[in-house]
Amino acid sequence: GENVEQHPSTLSVQEGDSAVIKCTYSDSASNYFPWYKQELGKRPQLIIDIRSNVGEKKDQRIAVTLNKTAKHFSLHITETQPEDSAVYFCAAILTGNQFYFGTGTSLTVIP
Amino acid sequence: DTGVSQDPRHKITKRGQNVTFRCDPISEHNRLYWYRQTLGQGPEFLTYFQNEAQLEKSRLLSDRFSAERPKGSFSTLEIQRTEQGDSAMYLCASSQQGGSETQYFGPGTRLLVL
Repeated sequence: GENVEQHPSTLSVQEGDSAVIKCTYSDSASNYFPWYKQELGKRPQLIIDIRSNVGEKKDQRIAVTLNKTAKHFSLHITETQPEDSAVYFCAAILTGNQFYFGTGTSLTVIP
Repeated sequence: DTGVSQDPRHKITKRGQNVTFRCDPISEHNRLYWYRQTLGQGPEFLTYFQNEAQLEKSRLLSDRFSAERPKGSFSTLEIQRTEQGDSAMYLCASSQQGGSETQYFGPGTRLLVL
């Protein structure tokens, strides 16, 4: 099965700085890579996703990059704000199958 | 509310008791997933349904766990003879086959086994 590793486990940044979270996956057949944000006590919510036929995707302050050859993908958050503080999970999926989640990154944005 | 709903939101039980959780997916979604999440960890896959068929089960799903989706709509997850190690958040998610594959999560049921 798929194995997803996520780094770092914790990340603190000053407000306005950028944050980068990286994930690697093992199954080269995986073709869909979502990122979820989970605030304390709340459900995971999709913030951005990317498919294997695309190398980069942006949505305002959030971007995801995918390197299929190296089997890694990254979440980039620019101009961080205190409300970005949460736990972020990456996942990898072979379409139609189960999601494999990373272990999460706890992001703290310091005002 | 047209999102995924779960009931109950919290459950406290004594070791050895049986518990059952319910998940109502987004109405047009035919895929339904159950995950378990413990503190500081990502969601761990338990099982998933496509319509009423249970297509995949994780090795995490011991014989004490059973899930059903009899009419292809809501699903139930039952844990028999609960153990303290079963304490966790149980998350349900749904998606539409042939759609974006995005899984939308419910609020979860937090289980505490005393």
